[in-house]
Amino acid sequence: EPEVTQTPSHQVTQMGQEVILRCVPISNHLYFYWYRQILGQKVEFLVSFYNNEISEKSEIFDDQFSVERPDGSNFTLKIRSTKLEDSAMYFCASNVRDSRSGANVLTFGAGSRLTVL
Amino acid sequence: AQSVTQPDIHITVSEGASLELRCNYSYGATPYLFWYVQSPGQGLQLLLKYFSGDTLVQGIKGFEAEFKRSQSSFNLRKPSVHWSDAAEYFCAVATGAGTALIFGKGTTLSVSS
Repeated sequence: EPEVTQTPSHQVTQMGQEVILRCVPISNHLYFYWYRQILGQKVEFLVSFYNNEISEKSEIFDDQFSVERPDGSNFTLKIRSTKLEDSAMYFCASNVRDSRSGANVLTFGAGSRLTVL
Repeated sequence: AQSVTQPDIHITVSEGASLELRCNYSYGATPYLFWYVQSPGQGLQLLLKYFSGDTLVQGIKGFEAEFKRSQSSFNLRKPSVHWSDAAEYFCAVATGAGTALIFGKGTTLSVSS
């Protein structure tokens, strides 16, 4: 079964450092997402991406975050200057839209755990 | 603002017993409804979804969920739980076609022998 693949599975970084989390979505999917889950809290939407541009973003997704699809297969989340509160599990997802309802049915990756010291 | 509430943080069920995980949402219209499961070290796997039509939906691994508009609920059920069902379960809603998913805080299911 097709998978969404995320790397690294776990990254430890110093506060203030830049981090890039990578995702390989399912090949025929067109919509891409990043979510995060701070330990013990709910899964929160960060950003969605379609047709090489951001289609929706949450208030969490501020100027220190950016996304891009550099080579047509990878989908990356960059955190420019990490803060302690960025420590979380980051999930990438991709989807095909349900043809009848238009609803998104997401397939998630296993997540990248980011620990900021 | 739309929200999803999973009232139970942690539930323990005996193997072979039935299970019901609660989910309530706050939204003016009928949203798209989902249940995801997360096993340790794994991603979020879709169990089932409701878009419209029959309010009782069947999913994978023997799970089902029932949409009750009057109660704004979408509770997940399984008649007989297996030890491998121990995981974190998330209810999620999308308020329109193409909109982002809003997740509940999750319910941790433990299965005792």
